[in-house]
Amino acid sequence: GDSVTQMEGPVTLSEEAFLTINCTYTATGYPSLFWYVQYPGEGLQLLLKATKADDKGSNKGFEATYRKETTSFHLEKGSVQVSDSAVYFCAPRGGSNYKLTFGKGTLLTVNP
Amino acid sequence: EAQVTQNPRYLITVTGKKLTVTCSQNMNHEYMSWYRQDPGLGLRQIYYSMNVEVTDKGDVPEGYKVSRKEKRNFPLILESPSPNQTSLYFCASSPWTGAEAFFGQGTRLTVV
Repeated sequence: GDSVTQMEGPVTLSEEAFLTINCTYTATGYPSLFWYVQYPGEGLQLLLKATKADDKGSNKGFEATYRKETTSFHLEKGSVQVSDSAVYFCAPRGGSNYKLTFGKGTLLTVNP
Repeated sequence: EAQVTQNPRYLITVTGKKLTVTCSQNMNHEYMSWYRQDPGLGLRQIYYSMNVEVTDKGDVPEGYKVSRKEKRNFPLILESPSPNQTSLYFCASSPWTGAEAFFGQGTRLTVV
């Protein structure tokens, strides 16, 4: 089945630091790729997505590029803020039941 | 407002006492699913439904049942809950099988 290997946390950064969270996946077919974010005590929200090779998803200063040749979808942000503190999940979507396959999540803490 | 609504948000119950967690979406989405979130394991799919009266097992279906009698509702039923079903549960819906999923706020279930 599909699987996701996501950078293990926790990750602790100072405000304005550069962020990278690595994500690689194995999937059958041609999945769509998503990053979700979970703020404390809340449900998951879509952060960004990409549906085909070389597409770049972006939102709120975060970016990720669909790299089919390396089956990767790394999340980056040039300057993190305290409000970015959350858990981030990489998730391809595909396969015969079109499920989202989640990584274990990466806890990001940004200190002032 | 477009949303996925789960109830209850919190539930403490005893082993063996049947319970239902409701999920409703107001976006006319075909695809709905249930996930459970456990520390260190990420989110795992329990059941999914591609349309009314069409449901199927996900990765961890044991001990759960679902039904999809109407497009908007997708309840999760635990006929005889056990302590290993203590978890955080999320319902999600999407307009088609490759699109982004919208998540409910979650139901934190404790079985004692």
